[in-house]
Formats: sequence, C-alpha cells, structure tokens
Amino acid sequence: GAVVSQHPSRVICKSGTSVKIECRSLDFQATTMFWYRQFPKQSLMLMATSNEGSKATYEQGVEKDKFLINHASLTLSTLTVTSAHPEDSSFYICSATLGGGPVGELFFGEGSRLTVL
Amino acid sequence: LAKTTQPISMDSYEGQEVNITCSHNNIATNDYITWYQQFPSQGPRFIIQGYKTKVTNEVASLFIPADRKSSTLSLPRVSLSDTAVYYCLVGAGPGGGADGLTFGKGTHLIIQP
Repeated sequence: GAVVSQHPSRVICKSGTSVKIECRSLDFQATTMFWYRQFPKQSLMLMATSNEGSKATYEQGVEKDKFLINHASLTLSTLTVTSAHPEDSSFYICSATLGGGPVGELFFGEGSRLTVL
Repeated sequence: LAKTTQPISMDSYEGQEVNITCSHNNIATNDYITWYQQFPSQGPRFIIQGYKTKVTNEVASLFIPADRKSSTLSLPRVSLSDTAVYYCLVGAGPGGGADGLTFGKGTHLIIQP
C-alpha cells in the first residue's frame, strides 16, 4: 500500500516556541492531505484539510493562525504549531488519499507526539 | 457526514472469531464504509472497505446488510496482536470528494490468552 511518513516522530519543546511537523507521501502524489490531532485515550479529531497549492481548510474551532499548514508540493505538507503551549501537547497524525481511488481509503503517517513543557 | 456508533470496548480470547458491529443510520447513498485499526502511538491502518453485502480480504470480512444502516467487521481467529482500537468510518466513495473522514470513538478490542 501507499506510504505516508511523518517527521519528527517525537518532539519536546519549550512553551512559546514553534514546532514544524512534516508529512510526506513517499510513493505517490497527494493533492490532498489531512491533519488530525489525538489526545490520550480519545479518538482522532480532524483539524484541517491541506490542498496542494492553495490554502488549507480548517475545521471549526481550530485556530488557523496557530496551526499553520503548508502544502507546497504534491508529496509534502507541513504543520507548524506556533507559540506552542502545554495544552497543545498531543499526538498529531497526517493522512493522504490516493487520487482516483475510494476516498475512504486513507493512508496515515506514523504520527508525531508533541510535548510542550 | 454520517455518524457512527460502536461498542466502546470488547473482550475476547485468542483463536476466537470477533465481530464488531457499527451503526450508521443516516448513511448516504454514495457513502462507503471503512474500518481502521490503531495501535497505541501509531497512525490508523486501513483494514477493509465495502459498500454493500460482503467483502473479504486476507485479514477480515465486512458484512453489510441491504439497508446499509449497520456493518459488522469480522476478525477470524484473533491473536494477542489484534488488541487495538477499531474505528468504523462512513464517507464518500469514488467521485465523492476528498473530505476528511470523521472518526467516532472506536472500539477497544482486548484479546486475552
């Protein structure tokens, strides 16, 4: 199956700093990628839809100025958590879908665990 | 997007068949049903997808009744490594648009020796 890779897998930062998480589709081109956030023992929550070459679409309640998403190429989307605070500590997961196939078949990255001190 | 309802948790034993049922009463005509598996601190992994009747692959079967208001994921002869959270998702199929899928609470399946 298609491979989606995230980097870094774990990151610890100080409060007030910014952190960038990369999501790459390794063997296919992804015009659309999705970013999710997952708190401990909870389900995945869709944060935004990342479209190559255009602005991301954010879900209600997600601050676009805090969670900056850039999808500059067909194989790379980045999520930058700006001025991170302890409440932003979470597991961030990206996913992508193969063009032309059932939309429901999403390929997920390994996830990135952010800890803000 | 259609809302899904699953049992919060299930227990079973190695070697048994496990069936997890998901309710999706307001599924739309062009919606597909997809199941994912997630281990702790990992991204979800695709298990199986279907539209109607029965779908089978090398790891699971998916049973969908005619009214499509529910679906059942069947895992044959489970092992300890099948302990995970299983999510049932409903969303648009081919040509339905690239909407990010909404995850419900999932079912925490615990397999015991």
